Amino acid sequence: LAKTTQPISMDSYEGQEVNITCSHNNIATNDYITWYQQFPSQGPRFIIQGYKTKVTNEVASLFIPADRKSSTLSLPRVSLSDTAVYYCLVGDGGTGGFKTIFGAGTRLFVKA
Amino acid sequence: EAGVAQSPRYKIIEKRQSVAFWCNPISGHATLYWYQQILGQGPKLLIQFQNNGVVDDSQLPKDRFSAERLKGVDSTLKIQPAKLEDSAVYLCASSLRDIRGEQFFGPGTRLTVL
Repeated sequence: LAKTTQPISMDSYEGQEVNITCSHNNIATNDYITWYQQFPSQGPRFIIQGYKTKVTNEVASLFIPADRKSSTLSLPRVSLSDTAVYYCLVGDGGTGGFKTIFGAGTRLFVKA
Repeated sequence: EAGVAQSPRYKIIEKRQSVAFWCNPISGHATLYWYQQILGQGPKLLIQFQNNGVVDDSQLPKDRFSAERLKGVDSTLKIQPAKLEDSAVYLCASSLRDIRGEQFFGPGTRLTVL
């Protein structure tokens, strides 16, 4: 399984766009890139997943360059409620289900 | 759609005692995961089931932890005997058996070992 590296923490202000970059130099051909969000006292929650180029949903965008050795989660116009820990994972479904390794994540603190 | 259910939500025990956690995944989800999350760290996978078979238990401390998933639905995780360092939140997650692999997490059980 590919190891991921992301910043330990980030600060932002309400209304700003936040970009969190994750490095995964050893990503395999079959691996997908997935981001989860975790609030205190809750389990992680799926945000977005992609394989290459750009993926966008109602919550975030995920940018993946051609070499796929990194990815950037973009949160548009953050609010105080976006304060959470964000995890970047890489892995593939395979026959045994999706295998994943959670790193320490990035603690995003949004200030008023 | 009902989410992943876990019980109990909180448990306080003394070291060397035993404890068990229960998880009911989302209906139809073939894959079930148990994670241990120590305060300030990311979730650490303990064991992964595909239906009622074990896919990965490489990080499960098998001398004291055990888990089972009878009939490929509910699952229990047991610790016997507990140590102080087992204090953590134990998260259960489930997912469909597909390439997307989106995991749905339960609320977790917060274990305190005194």
